Amino acid sequence: EAGVTQFPSHSVIEKGQTVTLRCDPISGHDNLYWYRRVMGKEIKFLLHFVKESKQDESGMPNNRFLAERTGGTYSTLKVQPAELEDSGVYFCASSQGGSSYNSPLHFGNGTRLTVT
Amino acid sequence: SQQGEEDPQALSIQEGENATMNCSYKTSINNLQWYRQNSGRGLVHLILIRSNEREKHSGRLRVTLDTSKKSSSLLITASRAADTASYFCATDAGIKAAGNKLTFGGGTRVLVKP
Repeated sequence: EAGVTQFPSHSVIEKGQTVTLRCDPISGHDNLYWYRRVMGKEIKFLLHFVKESKQDESGMPNNRFLAERTGGTYSTLKVQPAELEDSGVYFCASSQGGSSYNSPLHFGNGTRLTVT
Repeated sequence: SQQGEEDPQALSIQEGENATMNCSYKTSINNLQWYRQNSGRGLVHLILIRSNEREKHSGRLRVTLDTSKKSSSLLITASRAADTASYFCATDAGIKAAGNKLTFGGGTRVLVKP
């Protein structure tokens, strides 16, 4: 079984540019999550998809961030325009069910975003 | 303030020794989980303990939970060099509908020297 894959693994962009991160969850996992860890801070929840629907996007920092999951398969997270404080590691995770008890998260290796 | 805070932030031990790290949290939970992250990799789920459980074991891992103190500990016994990683505790939102919306602590970096 392939794990959660994220692309790219690293991205270096200039302030004001646009970056799109992609996540391919484990096949059959309806639940997809985005988390991020900015430098020196905790890993924080961004949003949760159930299939193609946004279940919870309360963690999205502002309207420069747009997440989509067309068709309920892979997801993209676009940052436009990028700011310096967006630098960090963006993790995608998926789970088969929606319960934290019987469906632990499977994480990808993350995308390290550097905004200069 | 943080929901989950790990203590210590970093730990260096010799192979064969035990490693203990603690986590405190602030709000009600349904369960608490521990994850491991090797450098440059994603987080790997280690163990989950429910709010009505006090202790749980999985191989060389032992987790305790004290809901009255809102704290948990993770013990790794007979550590190996391969245990070198960062360890994170994560709490759920205390609401079943929130699923895997987790709050992570800052992590404990563990270095096991051969």
